[in-house]
Amino acid sequence: QQQVKQSPQSLIVQKGGISIINCAYENTAFDYFPWYQQFPGKGPALLIAIRPDVSEKKEGRFTISFNKSAKQFSLHIMDSQPGDSATYFCAASMLSGGFKTIFGAGTRLFVKA
Amino acid sequence: KAGVTQTPRYLIKTRGQQVTLSCSPISGHRSVSWYQQTPGQGLQFLFEYFSETQRNKGNFPGRFSGRQFSNSRSEMNVSTLELGDSALYLCASSLGNTRSNEKLFFGSGTQLSVL
Repeated sequence: QQQVKQSPQSLIVQKGGISIINCAYENTAFDYFPWYQQFPGKGPALLIAIRPDVSEKKEGRFTISFNKSAKQFSLHIMDSQPGDSATYFCAASMLSGGFKTIFGAGTRLFVKA
Repeated sequence: KAGVTQTPRYLIKTRGQQVTLSCSPISGHRSVSWYQQTPGQGLQFLFEYFSETQRNKGNFPGRFSGRQFSNSRSEMNVSTLELGDSALYLCASSLGNTRSNEKLFFGSGTQLSVL
C-alpha cells in the first residue's frame, strides 16, 4: 500500500511560534517529497519540496527535514503568522514510470494572533 | 498564463445518476491528474493522464473513469453515483516529464454533492 501518513490532524500555534508537521512514507520508490498549502475554496499550491538525496531544504520561514533511513520527513514553519493558517499536505511522488503523487491526510493549522 | 480551469464549480446530482467533470490544464502541460478530496481523507489519487494515455490509476472502482483529449483537456466521469461520492474533485496539471520537478498546479475543484 502506497500510503503517506501525516500528523497531527490539526495544530494551533501562537503567532511567532514554530509549527511542525510530520509525515512518514512506506514505498522507497518515491523520489520527490513536496508540501502543499491549501486555503479554503482554493486548490492546493506547492509550498516547498525536497529530493531524498538532501537532508534539509529551507525557503524563507519554511524548512523540510528529511530522514531517508527512517522514511520520515517534516515541515517546520518558523515565526508562524496568522496568514499561515491553512491546511498543509505532505506528499510523495514517483517521477518516473508513470507519474503518481500520493498525499497525506492533511493538517489544519491555525495560528493565533 | 491562465491557470487550471475546472468546470462546473458546483454540481448537485442524485444517486444513480452519472456526472462528467471537465479540466483544462495550463497551456503546454501534458499531464493531468485527478484527485478526490474529502474531510479527513485528504486527497485520494484517482488517475493520471499523459498524451491521451492513462499512466497511473488509484484504488477507485470502475465507476470512476477518465480520458484526455489531444489538446490535453481532460474529463472525469462517475457513473451510478453513490452518496459517498460527494466530495471536492480536484484536477492538477503538470509538464509530465522527469526532468522537471513535478510541480502540480491545481484547479479550484468541482464540488459534487450527491443527494
